[in-house]
Amino acid sequence: ETGVTQTPRHLVMGMTNKKSLKCEQHLGHNAMYWYKQSAKKPLELMFVYSLEERVENNSVPSRFSPECPNSSHLFLHLHTLQPEDSALYLCASSQSFRGAANVLTFGAGSRLTVL
Amino acid sequence: DAKTTQPTSMDCAEGRAANLPCNHSTISGNEYVYWYRQIHSQGPQYIIHGLKNNETNEMASLIITEDRKSSTLILPHATLRDTAVYYCIVRVANTGTASKLTFGTGTRLQVTL
Repeated sequence: ETGVTQTPRHLVMGMTNKKSLKCEQHLGHNAMYWYKQSAKKPLELMFVYSLEERVENNSVPSRFSPECPNSSHLFLHLHTLQPEDSALYLCASSQSFRGAANVLTFGAGSRLTVL
Repeated sequence: DAKTTQPTSMDCAEGRAANLPCNHSTISGNEYVYWYRQIHSQGPQYIIHGLKNNETNEMASLIITEDRKSSTLILPHATLRDTAVYYCIVRVANTGTASKLTFGTGTRLQVTL
């Protein structure tokens, strides 16, 4: 596979469930990102990882817990979510997290619905 | 990062050139202009970026005015598959912090037969 792959593509969960979103990149990139896109709102950056170290956390509630075990994989662990957390969650990667070469490659997203 | 202003929506006939404008009057000398697009229910896709000079690649051309306060993305022969939301973003490329892209609401381009 090439590019950035996200699984699952669709997820429905209750407010008491625990689930995880997975992202895998096959581009040899060193930085990975989680974005949230709610209906009719701009993309919001959630987390940034560079070489497996979290370098940015944009005031995201603790019910979202990222994990980056290696430079190719990124997870978003979800627990006790609220209905307003329903959104498209997008993973992206880039060669580095700074510089003009910092062009983002996005996955297709995971559509999350919280009941 | 400088703010950008784009029209909310535009229409373009298939086969014609689509010219998408972007105003960034507060752009700084070290800020790049990036363009991404997002086809419905997919992740955004990088198109092109530039600093001062006009740029062209296999997808599009980017024309930046001499004063750098505005730019135009040109899709030379629009097809139905180019229907998407197009985002113009300006940012400093070599910041000391995580170089995040701030996406606005973009321009919704509708290509019609």
